Amino acid sequence: QLQLQESGPGLVKPSETLSLTCTVSGGSISSSSYYWGWIRQPPGKGLEWIGSIYYSGSTFYNPSLKSRVTIFGDTSKNQFSLKLSSVTAADTAVYYCARGAYNLANFDYWGQGTLVTVSS
Amino acid sequence: SSELTQDPAVSVALGQTVRITCQGDSLRNYYATWYQQKPRQAPLLVIYAQDNRPSGIPDRFSGSSSGNTASLTITGAQAEDEADYYCNSRDSSGSRVVFGGGTKLTVL
Repeated sequence: QLQLQESGPGLVKPSETLSLTCTVSGGSISSSSYYWGWIRQPPGKGLEWIGSIYYSGSTFYNPSLKSRVTIFGDTSKNQFSLKLSSVTAADTAVYYCARGAYNLANFDYWGQGTLVTVSS
Repeated sequence: SSELTQDPAVSVALGQTVRITCQGDSLRNYYATWYQQKPRQAPLLVIYAQDNRPSGIPDRFSGSSSGNTASLTITGAQAEDEADYYCNSRDSSGSRVVFGGGTKLTVL
């Protein structure tokens, strides 16, 4: 059974960089035809796609966040990571990692999510 | 603003049928995917590729599409179906993902 687990600081100061890692077990991030994505949800609001990385290493980003986002993978650790720079309070959200199955938008397995608060 | 539009809230009587819709130009070219999210839980995939259910999803959940509108139908809604429902798809370029704003379903 595939499992994803987010990890990283729960509190980040304004203007700093948010860094999260998703550890995948029960499957490989190098498996053909899968995407690995980050989605966030501000408190009380809807879902927002941040970006995804394809098994080949190609990346896809939300244009509204693209200038601040980097997603990269570490196949040796079977992890993929998110960096979001110059954060503000508007970046406070639950951050989820998820697998996209055969389609950029088909997220079939999700992590439990981790709350990141941006505050001084 | 989201490029996929959903009604913010819908209600249904227990045991009745409810349709939740998602509108957007990209749905003319790409399938919608549907997720159920209960409080303090991660979203759960319930319909993919327009009308396919993952293993474990009850068959009362079904999907359909016409033109620029995708629909999630729950036939015989149960109390446990009360949740937020989100649609998503690729955008018109095909290289990014968009989510609808979500629909809060209340089962009366």
